[in-house]
Amino acid sequence: DAGVTQSPTHLIKTRGQQVTLRCSPKSGHDTVSWYQQALGQGPQFIFQYYEEEERQRGNFPDRFSGHQFPNYSSELNVNALLLGDSALYLCASSRGDTTANYGYTFGSGTRLTVV
Amino acid sequence: AQSVTQPDIHITVSEGASLELRCNYSYGATPYLFWYVQSPGQGLQLLLKYFSGDTLVQGIKGFEAEFKRSQSSFNLRKPSVHWSDAAEYFCAVGEGTYKYIFGTGTRLKVLA
Repeated sequence: DAGVTQSPTHLIKTRGQQVTLRCSPKSGHDTVSWYQQALGQGPQFIFQYYEEEERQRGNFPDRFSGHQFPNYSSELNVNALLLGDSALYLCASSRGDTTANYGYTFGSGTRLTVV
Repeated sequence: AQSVTQPDIHITVSEGASLELRCNYSYGATPYLFWYVQSPGQGLQLLLKYFSGDTLVQGIKGFEAEFKRSQSSFNLRKPSVHWSDAAEYFCAVGEGTYKYIFGTGTRLKVLA
């Protein structure tokens, strides 16, 4: 049973560029959440997608946007990259008919470096 | 606002010794609490969770945690640490229905 799959694993971008990160949820899960983990910090909630809609959003600027596809996979897009966007981006999946309080399954993350 | 505090940034223990990682939370209602472990370059693995009921929760890999409402704490314990336990540990509280608030983590080093 495949867990949460994220691609790519590593990425280097230049300031001002745009980036797209991808996530496939665990089999049986229909909800995808994205977290940003800066070096030495805990993960911070970006947003959550359910039924192809953004269900909740954390304190991140509009440069961060997302999408969920009918097969429940998801993309995270970041525009106008800043050096401060360098981080590990984690995708987590869960079932929409339960609350997040039942425990996410996390992917291994995408390491984004902005130079 | 809800918050999670992990007061110990680094902890070093000898293999075979007992371990306790501290976690304090601030939350208005009954919290939903979690401990996750992260190995270098990896994602997060759920160790255990507390929703209600018995305040002593058993998890994977021999870990347990105790919820103490009066102290707003949810400390993680293990009676005998193995070298493979070296990793970073995160405490989290479920905020609302959908998102978690994570602490800043405790990095565990295990001495042979």
